[in-house]
Amino acid sequence: AQRVTQPEKLLSVFKGAPVELKCNYSYSGSPELFWYVQYSRQRLQLLLRHISRESIKGFTADLNKGETSFHLKKPFAQEEDSAMYYCALSAGGTSYGKLTFGQGTILTVHP
Amino acid sequence: EPEVTQTPSHQVTQMGQEVILRCVPISNHLYFYWYRQILGQKVEFLVSFYNNEISEKSEIFDDQFSVERPDGSNFTLKIRSTKLEDSAMYFCASLPDSYGYTFGSGTRLTVV
Repeated sequence: AQRVTQPEKLLSVFKGAPVELKCNYSYSGSPELFWYVQYSRQRLQLLLRHISRESIKGFTADLNKGETSFHLKKPFAQEEDSAMYYCALSAGGTSYGKLTFGQGTILTVHP
Repeated sequence: EPEVTQTPSHQVTQMGQEVILRCVPISNHLYFYWYRQILGQKVEFLVSFYNNEISEKSEIFDDQFSVERPDGSNFTLKIRSTKLEDSAMYFCASLPDSYGYTFGSGTRLTVV
């Protein structure tokens, strides 16, 4: 069975500071990893997926299979980045599309 | 941009009553899902639906739960006899034939 761990429930930084939201996973196969963001009272939105290796809103995430991690990083945090962030894993195959979520990290960026 | 629409946004029901949560997925999507999030806990997978049948369900999705796509557009989650522990935010999501999940804004179910 797969598992996603986000060790920090809360993370506070000041505007302009670097931010790293940690995500570790447990899965024996080759997973697809995602980051989702939920701004206050809005729906879950896809932020990043590892297969596309893109940078969205200045965020990047690299899949490290050796450390089974998919940490989300941004060099200079902005106040509008304040939100709940979820790391999620999809096993693919017969479980196509099914996501296993981490507990989420609430990021607060102070002015 | 197309959206997944969920109604109602908030439902209060008495324990033991049946509830139906409604979702209108994006029209050309093929896969449909329900997730739930109990307050303060992680988002949990409930069920996936493809080609008019359940393709996978979690341990949470017991006999009290059912899903339907009655008219080719709506996608419903029914809870037959609600319990207090069913109180949660329920999210619908749909997916085309490649990754591109779109979530609805959720229905907050409160069982009293």
